[in-house]
Amino acid sequence: QQQVKQSPQSLIVQKGGISIINCAYENTAFDYFPWYQQFPGKGPALLIAIRPDVSEKKEGRFTISFNKSAKQFSLHIMDSQPGDSATYFCAAFKAAGNKLTFGGGTRVLVKP
Amino acid sequence: EPEVTQTPSHQVTQMGQEVILRCVPISNHLYFYWYRQILGQKVEFLVSFYNNEISEKSEIFDDQFSVERPDGSNFTLKIRSTKLEDSAMYFCASRKTSGGAYEQYFGPGTRLTVT
Repeated sequence: QQQVKQSPQSLIVQKGGISIINCAYENTAFDYFPWYQQFPGKGPALLIAIRPDVSEKKEGRFTISFNKSAKQFSLHIMDSQPGDSATYFCAAFKAAGNKLTFGGGTRVLVKP
Repeated sequence: EPEVTQTPSHQVTQMGQEVILRCVPISNHLYFYWYRQILGQKVEFLVSFYNNEISEKSEIFDDQFSVERPDGSNFTLKIRSTKLEDSAMYFCASRKTSGGAYEQYFGPGTRLTVT
């Protein structure tokens, strides 16, 4: 079974600090690795994504680092703000299977 | 900005009843999906749909579940005989094309409560 493992389960960071969330995957056939942000009672919102032929992607305060040989990728949230408090899910997409496999989620709390 | 919409936002039903959850995907998208999320847990894939047929389904998506695109805009998930364990948030998602655009956009979800 294809799995994506995410850590930590929860994270508390001070305003202005860096939040780091890690994911590891088992299947090398994945084609695309997105991160989703979810607020309580809402649907997952696409935040940033990376393809396996790229080692890093940055969009504003959000950066994905990707290590293909280690089958790991991580999300860095720079200058964390209270509005970033949410649950973050990593995911992996295999085009041939046409589905997203999600990690277990990380609840991030940014303290003012 | 176009978005996926879902109705109803909350559905309460009794065990054994049929429910239909509705979704309107983004208009020029060709791939449609249903996912579910049990409270406090991760998002789980149920089914993907392309060209009017199921392209992939999970082990969760058993004979009690079915999907349909009844017209050019709606995409539905039917649960024939609901069970208590079907209580969850159900999310519809859509994706644009097969040409390397892998981004999936999710709707706000339908909270299904089975009593």
